[in-house]
Amino acid sequence: EVQLVESGGGLVQPGGSLRLSCATSGFTLSDKYINWVRQAPGKGLEWVGRTTNKASGYITLYAASVEGRFTISRDDSQNSLYLLLNSLKTEDTAVYYCATERSGSFDFWGQGILVTVSS
Amino acid sequence: QSALTQPPSASGSPGQSVTISCTGTSSDVGAENYVSWYQQHPGKAPKLLISEVSKRPSGVPDRFSGSKSGNTASLTVSGLQAEDEADYYCSSHVPGGKYVFGTGTKVTVL
Repeated sequence: EVQLVESGGGLVQPGGSLRLSCATSGFTLSDKYINWVRQAPGKGLEWVGRTTNKASGYITLYAASVEGRFTISRDDSQNSLYLLLNSLKTEDTAVYYCATERSGSFDFWGQGILVTVSS
Repeated sequence: QSALTQPPSASGSPGQSVTISCTGTSSDVGAENYVSWYQQHPGKAPKLLISEVSKRPSGVPDRFSGSKSGNTASLTVSGLQAEDEADYYCSSHVPGGKYVFGTGTKVTVL
């Protein structure tokens, strides 16, 4: 069974940093493109970024709203991915999801983790 | 990349059909056949309903169908059921690797 479980969320002050983790199981992580998607409270979904798989060279790509502040990394040996959030702004407050990518869609999602940026 | 445009709300009685539109541009929806649809119940993670414009993943009822014409994609829910009351989002892959989501549609079963 495919599972993704996010962790590491919480309350952080503006300008601060946080590292989210996405623990995976039920599939071979090195084969998969993985995306991060977020949802601000009461708002819609927003694509954050993506890492390609081993065969494609682990290339990362980010939304303009987080480019230069967020970094995606992965440790396939630990079946885990990470999203490092730097220079956080209040508008980064959201539930963050990791999701597997297949044929231009997100087929499996984690349960999400809340990040609150507030002083 | 601007969000794709969806109607804020849609509704129908049990057994009826509802269609949700998703309008983008020739740079996203119109560029490729990588449009997908997601259902999200309150407090839950999104669930994939449709991939590649019209493909249903295993386990998704055939009441859900997708199509596309030009820069507009559509999701039709036939034979509405109470459990279909949820938020629905479209998404499009953008050539180059990025993605864009729709603004979301709240479906109410009357």
